[in-house]
Order: sequence, then structure tokens, then C-alpha cells
Amino acid sequence: EAGVAQSPRYKIIEKRQSVAFWCNPISGHATLYWYQQILGQGPKLLIQFQNNGVVDDSQLPKDRFSAERLKGVDSTLKIQPAKLEDSAVYLCASSLGWGKGETQYFGPGTRLLVL
Amino acid sequence: RKEVEQDPGPFNVPEGATVAFNCTYSNSASQSFFWYRQDCRKEPKLLMSVYSSGNEDGRFTAQLNRASQYISLLIRDSKLSDSATYLCVVNNNDMRFGAGTRLTVKP
Repeated sequence: EAGVAQSPRYKIIEKRQSVAFWCNPISGHATLYWYQQILGQGPKLLIQFQNNGVVDDSQLPKDRFSAERLKGVDSTLKIQPAKLEDSAVYLCASSLGWGKGETQYFGPGTRLLVL
Repeated sequence: RKEVEQDPGPFNVPEGATVAFNCTYSNSASQSFFWYRQDCRKEPKLLMSVYSSGNEDGRFTAQLNRASQYISLLIRDSKLSDSATYLCVVNNNDMRFGAGTRLTVKP
């Protein structure tokens, strides 16, 4: 079974530029998550989708971050404009359902460096 | 107080040693608990769920203490391949990750 796919794997941009990340979850997984992991910290949930609807985006900095999952399958996360503190690994995860006991499967992440 | 707190370590142990990690959480309404493992520059992967009655998977034992709001992970007979960061995860309405405890098992 194919895992969660993410691209690009690495991205270097200058501050105030825009960047977009793409995620393709495991086939059939209804729930998709975007996390931000800053060096030395655990992943922090940015947004959770159930099919194509947003379930939780309480920790998403909405002034600069946006995400969509239009057809309920793959998803994009955008940062516009980027700040230095956005340098982190952006992890996408998916789960079959949305219960609290659901196992989340993570993609390899996109490493973003903002200069 | 952080929602999920872990001792960052590092824990440096010899092969064959037993090592234990603790994790405390602040939300008493939390309903599910997990340990994830994250290798250097890799994504987190589920190690095991933590059940109220405690559970064991080979050399790994996880326990939950709701009254004191902590969970623990015990690794027996440590292997070199156990070297990784272990993330404590608490789920109420969403998954909250601790910062992780780093373990290095040495020959």
C-alpha cells in the first residue's frame, strides 16, 4: 500500500515570498492533517480535514496560511507571505476515519527554510 | 504549563538496558494516548497506543495513570535500533504531541 506522498521534499525561499506544499493521502483515507514541526519540538496541528471539509483550524495562522482539499483527496498548504519563523518541517498525515483512536500515518514531510 | 510535557533527554543507555520515559498531560478530559517514534529527519510513526489497563508489545510496555495524568513507556533489552526520539501524544479533540524524548542506545 502506498503511503502518504508529499512534495516538494525541500524548499528554500526568502522571507515575504510565497510557497505551497502538496499532499496525497493514503487511498481511501477520509481525514487529512497538516502539521508544523519546528526543530526540537513535536508536531503541531495546523488544520484537519474530513473529506473536503475543515474540522479544526484553530492553530492555523490564517493571516498567512491557507489550505484546501477541494475534492476530498489531495491537499495543498500555502504560506503567503513567509516569515523567518515559518522555517520548519511541514508534515501531512492521514487516517481512515476521524475517531479519537484513529492511527495517523505521516508523509515524509517538506523541509522549509525561510531566509 | 504545556499540554503535553516530556523530559527531552537525551537518554544514553547501553545495549540491553531497560529505560523508561514519562509524559504528563494537562487536560484531564483527554481520551486517547499514543507513543510515536521519530527517527532523525524522518516522519513520526506509531509505536503503540496506550490503554487504561496498560499494554505490552514485545519489549515495549505502555501504561496510563489517569489520576496523575501521566503515561509511561518502558523499553526492555534495548537494541541499537531503538535509538530515536519518542513522542508522547494525547488526543482530546485533536492530537497534541510532546516535544519528544531522545534515546541513544550504545554498543
